[in-house]
Amino acid sequence: SQQGEEDPQALSIQEGENATMNCSYKTSINNLQWYRQNSGRGLVHLILIRSNEREKHSGRLRVTLDTSKKSSSLLITASRAADTASYFCATDFGGFQKLVFGTGTRLLVSP
Amino acid sequence: GAVVSQHPSRVICKSGTSVKIECRSLDFQATTMFWYRQFPKQSLMLMATSNEGSKATYEQGVEKDKFLINHASLTLSTLTVTSAHPEDSSFYICSTGVRGGSTDTQYFGPGTRLTVL
Repeated sequence: SQQGEEDPQALSIQEGENATMNCSYKTSINNLQWYRQNSGRGLVHLILIRSNEREKHSGRLRVTLDTSKKSSSLLITASRAADTASYFCATDFGGFQKLVFGTGTRLLVSP
Repeated sequence: GAVVSQHPSRVICKSGTSVKIECRSLDFQATTMFWYRQFPKQSLMLMATSNEGSKATYEQGVEKDKFLINHASLTLSTLTVTSAHPEDSSFYICSTGVRGGSTDTQYFGPGTRLTVL
């Protein structure tokens, strides 16, 4: 399977704390994306980082990419209860827009 | 941004029946559509890729005769689960791409929850 792995599988923190989740993948990529999924809902695109980029920011989100290690991390700073969701990384394995999703991290932010 | 809709959002059916799920791009032409399946507490797995006017390409292990995909127009793709069984109960999500575009032009629908009794 080309599916990427994410860790931790589950993360429980308090509001105001930072949350870091990691993604490892297996093949060369053009870009890597992070998505959020609230329980039983569709996907929300968070951020895309290209293979020639090492770090990217969007609001409280910070994504890093290390192509030599085939890994990426998503940092959510000053977390809020509304950040409670599952987070998935996705890579464009196979070309032409086919995405392979990681196993996901379930984040629980307690008030 | 672009909007993708799915219908129905939830469906419950009896074992042995067929269920059709629609995926529509509301404000742009989607030359390519992707269908994913997600089991509870698991990740999304790509089932198939469909291009408007041509046959769908199925991923390994996905039965093309069981999961019929029709991409008859630039704004509509349908997934029909034929002779559904309880193990087909899952969350089905479509996404769309634009010919010549990169993956950052892919948009996801809200998903359809299928429960087979």
